[in-house]
Amino acid sequence: AQSVTQLGSHVSVSEGALVLLRCNYSSSVPPYLFWYVQYPNQGLQLLLKYTTGATLVKGINGFEAEFKKSETSFHLTKPSAHMSDAAEYFCAVSGNSNYQLIWGAGTKLIIKP
Amino acid sequence: ETGVTQSPTHLIKTRGQQVTLRCSSQSGHNTVSWYQQALGQGPQFIFQYYREEENGRGNFPPRFSGLQFPNYSSELNVNALELDDSALYLCASSRTSGVNNEQFFGPGTRLTVL
Repeated sequence: AQSVTQLGSHVSVSEGALVLLRCNYSSSVPPYLFWYVQYPNQGLQLLLKYTTGATLVKGINGFEAEFKKSETSFHLTKPSAHMSDAAEYFCAVSGNSNYQLIWGAGTKLIIKP
Repeated sequence: ETGVTQSPTHLIKTRGQQVTLRCSSQSGHNTVSWYQQALGQGPQFIFQYYREEENGRGNFPPRFSGLQFPNYSSELNVNALELDDSALYLCASSRTSGVNNEQFFGPGTRLTVL
């Protein structure tokens, strides 16, 4: 069965520091990969996705992620953290079906002033 | 463009009762997916509706059922509620079916089963 692992339920960085949120997946077929962000009391919002083509994907709010097939990873990065980035981040991967996403447990990003 | 809305925002039920949650999809979207998000976990896929038909289902028992209406709004019904059904229920709409299509999420309905 496919699965998604997000390393670290909480990640704390200082404002202005590099943000790195890790996502590894298991899949027997080339997947579609997604990062979503969830702000308190708001719906999940798509940050970026990889379907085909260039493995470095740029998203909204200065985030980007790189698909590394050999490492089965899709880590999310941002060069300089901002206070407004504090939220919970979810990695998701397409399942064997064409309708189902498999989600990680989420990583809460904490920004220290 | 109106986003995805869900009602009610909060709901408290007792074990054994039945509940109906509602979702209005974003304009122009014909696909609705429902997810259960337990505290501290990622969303778990319940099922998807595409043009009023169930298009796929996750690992949830038959007491979880749904409907999609001609205007593409949707309902999630849960019968014989159990304590473990306490969770945030998320609805997401997309322009069409297919997992590569962006899903737009509503804020969710928080269900508490006592």
